[in-house]
Amino acid sequence: QKEVEQDPGPLSVPEGAIVSLNCTYSNSAFQYFMWYRQYSRKGPELLMYTYSSGNKEDGRFTAQVDKSSKYISLFIRDSQPSDSATYLCAMEGETGANSKLTFGKGITLSVRP
Amino acid sequence: ETGVTQTPRHLVMGMTNKKSLKCEQHLGHNAMYWYKQSAKKPLELMFVYSLEERVENNSVPSRFSPECPNSSHLFLHLHTLQPEDSALYLCASSQALRMWEQYFGPGTRLTVT
Repeated sequence: QKEVEQDPGPLSVPEGAIVSLNCTYSNSAFQYFMWYRQYSRKGPELLMYTYSSGNKEDGRFTAQVDKSSKYISLFIRDSQPSDSATYLCAMEGETGANSKLTFGKGITLSVRP
Repeated sequence: ETGVTQTPRHLVMGMTNKKSLKCEQHLGHNAMYWYKQSAKKPLELMFVYSLEERVENNSVPSRFSPECPNSSHLFLHLHTLQPEDSALYLCASSQALRMWEQYFGPGTRLTVT
């Protein structure tokens, strides 16, 4: 079983739709959960991070973490064509010298005008 | 300049060439990373430097050689690469104690012919 699984998509939705992006993981040591957005020909951009379980909201974006199910989600409300990008989930659990991020493969989202 | 910059943005090299990738961060961070991004694969961590010391060498072939002369600059020296090394090479930085909050550069698109 891979450490982090992410549906590869692609995903296409109409403008204004609510988008749900998800990742599952197997390593119960993960404590930080991140979502990155990557536009074509650009580097990943940190959207949000959450520590442990719970929800975090930032504008149209909401991140949810359910550690009991080892499942994280990113919701995008009122999706816009400018949200079209690849979304990567990432997780981190070790501290100190062994700390590193483990990424999902990413899902490409297209929001149709 | 702001954020994390990388040069060159595109590089085509033959298998016998030697070249270097450069990364510079303007965020006051003290940890820097090299990642490899290939199609349909998760981001692969290659090297980590924290407080200018290498703390991670993720079983990377010796044809890749990193250098971190100070906390703002990171290089990746390349020699005798293989066609399968063609990928997007991303540099990132963070505070050493906040490794979950990484900021990426735009990447260097490397093609090995």
